[in-house]
Amino acid sequence: DTEVTQTPKHLVMGMTNKKSLKCEQHMGHRAMYWYKQKAKKPPELMFVYSYEKLSINESVPSRFSPECPNSSLLNLHLHALQPEDSALYLCASSQALTTGELFFGEGSRLTVL
Amino acid sequence: SQQGEEDPQALSIQEGENATMNCSYKTSINNLQWYRQNSGRGLVHLILIRSNEREKHSGRLRVTLDTSKKSSSLLITASRAADTASYFCATRRETSGSRLTFGEGTQLTVNP
Repeated sequence: DTEVTQTPKHLVMGMTNKKSLKCEQHMGHRAMYWYKQKAKKPPELMFVYSYEKLSINESVPSRFSPECPNSSLLNLHLHALQPEDSALYLCASSQALTTGELFFGEGSRLTVL
Repeated sequence: SQQGEEDPQALSIQEGENATMNCSYKTSINNLQWYRQNSGRGLVHLILIRSNEREKHSGRLRVTLDTSKKSSSLLITASRAADTASYFCATRRETSGSRLTFGEGTQLTVNP
């Protein structure tokens, strides 16, 4: 099993809503990542978790709140988002933090009204 | 800021032709990776080349790395319509290996 599974695939929310994006991997990877991707742009790193601890926060606004409940799960909690936060949110995992390839999920397409 | 710059930004070729994409980067790296992304989908890892390697092959893919010029190229031989996608290079820096930073990408269109 080499999959990274993201849910939901599509999410539409208002600026006052609270929602969460979920990511799951069962490859035994110890590093997990959240990336944000706008149309026709490269993915931009948001957060990195290593062994369930937050390793990198790329100065992401506090309306995005990551959580790593265990080594297989990664959540991104969303609150009071802005329309400019509309994007494809990609989760990825890797065996280790500093080497090797990333395995990506298919992404969650977020639209903020 | 993006570590990698890619050119061309867009490339359109006929099936059967070869496609070459280039990537330049600014700082010393641990490794360089190439990824492919079909429209609206997740990224798929294609190939990884370490800083002490100069060339690597995988099927119809050939990647070269020139650390003195801080550049890499991805060659896709005998292209197919199914190769139509965006291709990104990504680098892990020597000093901050936990970050994988993506270049701007090349949009490849292979016409049948």
